[in-house]
Amino acid sequence: NAGVTQTPKFQVLKTGQSMTLQCAQDMNHNSMYWYRQDPGMGLRLIYYSASEGTTDKGEVPNGYNVSRLNKREFSLRLESAAPSQTSVYFCASSPFRQAQGIQYFGAGTRLSVL
Amino acid sequence: KNEVEQSPQNLTAQEGEFITINCSYSVGISALHWLQQHPGGGIVSLFMLSSGKKKHGRLIATINIQEKHSSLHITASHPRDSAVYICAVYWYSGGGADGLTFGKGTHLIIQP
Repeated sequence: NAGVTQTPKFQVLKTGQSMTLQCAQDMNHNSMYWYRQDPGMGLRLIYYSASEGTTDKGEVPNGYNVSRLNKREFSLRLESAAPSQTSVYFCASSPFRQAQGIQYFGAGTRLSVL
Repeated sequence: KNEVEQSPQNLTAQEGEFITINCSYSVGISALHWLQQHPGGGIVSLFMLSSGKKKHGRLIATINIQEKHSSLHITASHPRDSAVYICAVYWYSGGGADGLTFGKGTHLIIQP
């Protein structure tokens, strides 16, 4: 009964390096989301996927790419990391197509870009 | 874009006190969420509501759609209620991003 699992929990990157944040849910949810949380700001949507095979940009998509590999997995890729991408990243899933249902969050990934 | 304002930003209270956290938003919505972020960082959904009132244990959430305002109440507060409480609204623009707009959160500390 894992819910939403994110890996890794912590990561330090150098400017220009690339990495992929992994997210998987075992609740058979249709919708999945990637958020970032910065000090003094609310959570902001990076990308979302309403269903398998579809992805759409959120509020702050620049510098990121996503893949909805299958119904369970939704990954976030930083192609060339920048210090402005230092943040805590949360993946979430919801059973409904649109954000009208309860969202279930992963534990987060703390990313530092030096 | 919907603006979500929470008040207060920080709140320290004594164990047993009745707590109220407020959330206001600027554009009509179809649903409002209250979430709790634990000191360790994990986020849990507490309520989703579109009208009226919901209650779960010592937590009560209300919403007034006409006034674009919601409140989260905690009765008989306890130190384990110490957390950041986040309000988020869902509004459908018809062509924009499908997601939630979040408030900055209210940092609550309950002292024994």
